[in-house]
This record gives sequence, structure tokens and C-alpha cells, in this order.
Amino acid sequence: QITLRESGPALVKPTETLTLTCTFSGFSLITSGMCVSWIRQPPGRALEWLARIDWDDTKYYSTSLKTRLTISKDTSTNQVVLTMTDMDPVDTATYYCALGTPVTRGSYWGQGTLVIVSS
Amino acid sequence: DIVMTQSPLSLPVTPGEAASISCRSSQSLRHANGQDYLDWYLQRPGQSPQLLIYLGSTRASGVPDRFRGSGSGTNFTLKITRVEAEDFGVYYCLHTLQTLSNTFGQGTRLDIK
Repeated sequence: QITLRESGPALVKPTETLTLTCTFSGFSLITSGMCVSWIRQPPGRALEWLARIDWDDTKYYSTSLKTRLTISKDTSTNQVVLTMTDMDPVDTATYYCALGTPVTRGSYWGQGTLVIVSS
Repeated sequence: DIVMTQSPLSLPVTPGEAASISCRSSQSLRHANGQDYLDWYLQRPGQSPQLLIYLGSTRASGVPDRFRGSGSGTNFTLKITRVEAEDFGVYYCLHTLQTLSNTFGQGTRLDIK
């Protein structure tokens, strides 16, 4: 059974750095073609793709956010970590991680974690 | 980045009727292997998105056959042959080309007429 679970702070202050962890089970991120993406969704708004890390450690970032994002993986603990610097209230959103395969990007999704940016 | 454009953004439908959503990409999603790298997702209220279609036209496991993806290159369509109550929500397309950053369409809200 494949599961993903996002964790991190529910509240961060403006200018702080957000660190989110995606803990997964039921698959290995060393398997060829597998990947994990981070996606966010501000309240009442559309999905926004943020970043992806592939099985071979190749990383991709949203062009508009790439200066603020870092994605990494730890295959020994089955975790993918996303950091976002210089948080702003407009970054308030539910943040999701999702498992991808060679032919999809979102076969399985976590339940999401709401992050509020406020002083 | 590839820009994904969905239409319409809002689609009121009577249960039992058909519904069709368009997704256009600013660049071709056709890979050298002949496959089109496009996913369709449904997000029901309060839930995480659910994969419906991948590679433009392949239904994900457990997805009813009333959902049909078609198209190629830069023009794609998701059709629901007979909308049921559980189909209401927001539909998103996502390009999934391997060597690029991925981008979603703006979403299409399917709601009850």
C-alpha cells in the first residue's frame, strides 16, 4: 500500500523559511522513473506545481519560485524535503506531495498540510 | 515553462448529460516515443486531487470508463459521457514531460446546473 504524508509547521512568520517533509511508504525513490513532486493550493484557488525530484536526484523547480525553493530526498528514511525561503502571506496554502511514475506525476497524493503565513 | 490553458473555467452540467473540457499547451506534449505526456485530475471539495487519465488517454486504475481522454500534440480533451453526482468538482490538466518543470492548467469547475 502506497501512502504519502506531509508534515511541517502550520504557522510561519513572514520572511521565515518553511521546511516541509513528505514521508512515504510502499515504494522506493531509487526505482528508475519514480519521482516526488510538491504542489500547493491557496485557499479557494488552483493547484500550483512547485518542484519535483526524480529517482536519479535530478531536480526541477517552478520558474517563478526557483530562487526560493530547494528539494531533496533521503532514501534511507523515505522522505522528501522542500524548503521555501522568505515566506510571505501570499504563500498561505495547502501543500501537497505526490508520487509520480515514468508516465504520470500524481499517481498518489498525500492529504496535504495547511501552512498559514502570518505575523 | 509550458503554459497550460483550460476551457471553460466553469461548466454547469445536469446529471446524466455529457461534459467536455479542453486543455491546450503552449508547446507540443508529444514525446519522441509517440506518447503525449498529459495527466487529468479531479479534485472533489475538501479532498486531494485524484488521477483520472495519464498519457493523454489512459484511464488510471479504478477510473470509470465514462471518463475519456483524447487529443495529441497541443490540444487535449477530457469528456465525461454521462455525468454522475460524484463527478462534480474541479478538473485540472498537467503536462508531465520528463525533462521539464511541470505546470497545471487553471482548473475547470464542474458543478450542478
